[in-house]
Amino acid sequence: AQSVTQPDIHITVSEGASLELRCNYSYGATPYLFWYVQSPGQGLQLLLKYFSGDTLVQGIKGFEAEFKRSQSSFNLRKPSVHWSDAAEYFCAVYPGGNEKLTFGTGTRLTIIP
Amino acid sequence: DTGVSQDPRHKITKRGQNVTFRCDPISEHNRLYWYRQTLGQGPEFLTYFQNEAQLEKSRLLSDRFSAERPKGSFSTLEIQRTEQGDSAMYLCASGGQGNQPQHFGDGTRLSIL
Repeated sequence: AQSVTQPDIHITVSEGASLELRCNYSYGATPYLFWYVQSPGQGLQLLLKYFSGDTLVQGIKGFEAEFKRSQSSFNLRKPSVHWSDAAEYFCAVYPGGNEKLTFGTGTRLTIIP
Repeated sequence: DTGVSQDPRHKITKRGQNVTFRCDPISEHNRLYWYRQTLGQGPEFLTYFQNEAQLEKSRLLSDRFSAERPKGSFSTLEIQRTEQGDSAMYLCASGGQGNQPQHFGDGTRLSIL
């Protein structure tokens, strides 16, 4: 079965600084990969997805992620964070077919002025 | 596209009571998913429907839980004889065929007194 690891439970960055959130997955082949964001008390909003092709994918709100097959990673990046980016971020993998979407445990992002 | 709608947003009930939640998916989506999310965790898959057929149920879905999607549109999730451990956020998502991303509602937060 597939699994997702987000090694950082909580990250604090200063507003305007760059951001990288880590995600590693375990699966025999290359799955479909997603990043979602969740604000307190809200559902999950899709930031970006990787299906195939270009390993650097662009998403909404200025986020991007890079798929690295050799490292089984799909890290999320943003060059300059804004206070409104404070939220919980979830990486998820979907193997395809009738398999289920599996989420990591999330990384909580705090932005300091 | 009005998004995925869940009702109620919050439910507080006493242990032992039955509760029912409703999810209205995005109208053109034929897949509907239920997840449970506890504090500090990512969403965990409970069950999913393709049209009106319930295709998979997680082992997390004990016999006190039942989900329906009678006409392939909205879905309900019922929990009978609620227990303290049922306190969680219950998220609904809908998606199209195959690898299309799932779109989430804002969830129903259940608190058991």
